[in-house]
Amino acid sequence: DIQMTQSPSSLSASVGDRVTITCRASQSIRNYLNWYQQKPGKAPKLLIYGASSLQSGVPSRFSGSGSGTDFTLTISNLRAEDFATYYCQQGYSSPLTFGGGTKVEIK
Amino acid sequence: QVQLQQWGAGLLKPSETLSLTCAAYGGSFSGYYWTWIRQPPGKGLEWIGEINHAGSTNYNPSLESRVTISIDTSKNQFSLKLRSVTAADTAVYFCARSPVPAARGLAWFDPWGQGTLVTVSS
Repeated sequence: DIQMTQSPSSLSASVGDRVTITCRASQSIRNYLNWYQQKPGKAPKLLIYGASSLQSGVPSRFSGSGSGTDFTLTISNLRAEDFATYYCQQGYSSPLTFGGGTKVEIK
Repeated sequence: QVQLQQWGAGLLKPSETLSLTCAAYGGSFSGYYWTWIRQPPGKGLEWIGEINHAGSTNYNPSLESRVTISIDTSKNQFSLKLRSVTAADTAVYFCARSPVPAARGLAWFDPWGQGTLVTVSS
């Protein structure tokens, strides 16, 4: 199985900050990397697919980059509604696997 | 815009069979891969498996011996059965849609069902 490692596991930030979350795959997954946002008690929501493609309806302050084994999710100008847990997921091979999550908390 | 709605029993005893169903409303049912994912309380996400409209399945090897995913195209529904559950199977179970099979590459999940908490306790 491909292991997905996210860092940090949690971070504190303020409204207006720029936040970067990192995801590393245990082997190359090309650009087959997706990002999700999950709020407490809710299902995850797709933000980014294919490492850098913004899902329809997702604000442009979210962006993704990377290829191979190293990927980043950046949230520019953090807003109150962005405080949540973020997960990466590799779509390269079965079984599909997720990172452990990064919780973005209010400073 | 497709919406997924899921239901099933929320409290099981050890050794029983978990059974959940997910219905898709408002969109095409064919041409996609219908997926189950679970999340133990306070933990991360685990892909369980998928099925397409033709009934072709693919399971996570960690659960394959106990899992069956089935589909009813006449009702736009698909179901999950997990046999011989233990406390380790306590989790929120989600259904979701993927545009491609897990083995083909660039599989992602959108939309998702609302989630069902399944608790296994004696």
